[in-house]
Amino acid sequence: EPEVTQTPSHQVTQMGQEVILRCVPISNHLYFYWYRQILGQKVEFLVSFYNNEISEKSEIFDDQFSVERPDGSNFTLKIRSTKLEDSAMYFCASSSGPNTEAFFGQGTRLTVV
Amino acid sequence: GQNIDQPTEMTATEGAIVQINCTYQTSGFNGLFWYQQHAGEAPTFLSYNVLDGLEEKGRFSSFLSRSKGYSYLLLKELQMKDSASYLCAPSNDYKLSFGAGTTVTVRA
Repeated sequence: EPEVTQTPSHQVTQMGQEVILRCVPISNHLYFYWYRQILGQKVEFLVSFYNNEISEKSEIFDDQFSVERPDGSNFTLKIRSTKLEDSAMYFCASSSGPNTEAFFGQGTRLTVV
Repeated sequence: GQNIDQPTEMTATEGAIVQINCTYQTSGFNGLFWYQQHAGEAPTFLSYNVLDGLEEKGRFSSFLSRSKGYSYLLLKELQMKDSASYLCAPSNDYKLSFGAGTTVTVRA
């Protein structure tokens, strides 16, 4: 069964460093998303991406964050100058259409120390 | 803005039925998804309603009333493995907006 894969599964970084979280969406999907979940809290939308551009972004997704689809298979989230409060589980998701089931990857747990 | 309300916790006995209600106020509403999330894992899709009414899918059913901004997820014949968080998620064209989730605990 096709699945969304994310790497790494766990990333520890020092405050102020930059991290890149990687995702390989399902191959025939066209819509890509990043969500985050701070421990014990709800899943929060960060950004959606379609046709090589951002479709929508939340207030959380400020200049510290960027997304890229560098090739035909990867979808990355870059977080610059990480802060302690960026510690969370980051989920990538993809879907075949705008109102179809989104499939989630297993997440990258980011710990900023 | 958006507001999604669902109960924080529910407890039920194995074999029983539980109904999780969700009310929402969002902009650009297209439909409503329900996802299941086990602790430490990714959300997984359960159901999607775009029209008013009931959608049945095995032991799980979901209902939507667009005019009332209301949905529920019905879990029948509860099993221990159904212990999880259930996330109500209204959608527009570009995103799912998740509620805080309802933690369902199934007791033997």
